[in-house]
Amino acid sequence: EVQLVESGGGLIQPGGSLRLSCAASGFTISNNYMSWVRQAPGKGLEWVSVIYSGGQTDYIESVRGRFTISRDTSKNTVSLQMTSLRAEDTAVYYCARDSSYAVLGWGQGTLVVISS
Amino acid sequence: EIVLTQSPATLSLSPGDRATLSCRASQSVRYYLAWYQQKPGLAPRLLIYDASNRAIGIPARFSGSGSGTDFTLTISSLEAEDFAVYYCQHHNKSPPWTFGQGTKVEF
Repeated sequence: EVQLVESGGGLIQPGGSLRLSCAASGFTISNNYMSWVRQAPGKGLEWVSVIYSGGQTDYIESVRGRFTISRDTSKNTVSLQMTSLRAEDTAVYYCARDSSYAVLGWGQGTLVVISS
Repeated sequence: EIVLTQSPATLSLSPGDRATLSCRASQSVRYYLAWYQQKPGLAPRLLIYDASNRAIGIPARFSGSGSGTDFTLTISSLEAEDFAVYYCQHHNKSPPWTFGQGTKVEF
């Protein structure tokens, strides 16, 4: 069974850092695109970042230079290192099994709250 | 960045009704358009990919059409479990793979 389980969310002050992790099972992350998608409270979905099967990465402009996506193929995990966090980064962050044509599967999400 | 505009924002319908949801792209995304369903407190679920292909396990009452800049998701006869928010997303060329703002189908 394909499963994605996120962890690492929480309450953090503006300017702080947080690392989200996503444990994948039932498939091999290095054979897939893996993305992070976020959803601010009561708002729509926002694609944030992708790590391609070849290891290249891409980001939405608003997080470029602050967020870093990475993977550990030995543990089949994907991470999102977030720095210089802002109030507008508050959201549920979903780990997603992505592809060239659609997001195929989603984790349950982890809530990140940026507040003093 | 490609902007996806969904309409209407809210669709008020009853079980058995036909639902027609629209997604318009600010530039051509060819056929690289997906639709997702999201229920409160849950992660989204893929319904349609490449504009018109149903994902595994999705009932035949869901259908997608369109290409270029104009796309439609149709639910032929609404069932109780279909009342939810629906999002479109493009996967054309390079990221960001933006989402539309969503259409809420309510009873």
